[in-house]
Amino acid sequence: GENVEQHPSTLSVQEGDSAVIKCTYSDSASNYFPWYKQELGKRPQLIIDIRSNVGEKKDQRIAVTLNKTAKHFSLHITETQPEDSAVYFCAASIGSSASKIIFGSGTRLSIRP
Amino acid sequence: NAGVMQNPRHLVRRRGQEARLRCSPMKGHSHVYWYRQLPEEGLKFMVYLQKENIIDESGMPKERFSAEFPKEGPSILRIQQVVRGDSAAYFCASSPQGNEQYFGPGTRLTVT
Repeated sequence: GENVEQHPSTLSVQEGDSAVIKCTYSDSASNYFPWYKQELGKRPQLIIDIRSNVGEKKDQRIAVTLNKTAKHFSLHITETQPEDSAVYFCAASIGSSASKIIFGSGTRLSIRP
Repeated sequence: NAGVMQNPRHLVRRRGQEARLRCSPMKGHSHVYWYRQLPEEGLKFMVYLQKENIIDESGMPKERFSAEFPKEGPSILRIQQVVRGDSAAYFCASSPQGNEQYFGPGTRLTVT
């Protein structure tokens, strides 16, 4: 069945450095790839998403890249800050309708002061 | 525009009781999704509904679990005869057209 794999499961970076989280997906028809941030005890929040017709999207310190040929996409956070500490989930749509998404297993990002 | 609302935020049930979880989508959103999250784990899809229709329930356990999204009122996730393994956070998300999903604050169910 459809699957999304996410790496690493935990990531610790020095404040100010960059963090990269990578995901791969199995459904070649997937065309929508959102990223969510979940702080402890809180709801998942949509932070950025990308559709298959673009290869990269940026929003301030956050960027996402997509390689459809290789079926992988990545989240890049630059100039990390303590408030970036959270669990990040990638997701990919099932099929081309984008109405259902499957989540990766999550990456726990810790920012060291 | 109020966000996705869920209630109750915390629910304690004894084994064998019923749990009813409610979700009010964002205004203008007609697509509702339910997910389950165990501690330290990811979000597992349960069911996808539009008004008065179940679109995809492939993630729902075959027994004891049901969901609805009536023409009027919130979406309801119902768990009958709860067991300890049902203890989890249940998140609802809504979407305007079946793409971007916005999550509610979740209901944390504890079965004693």
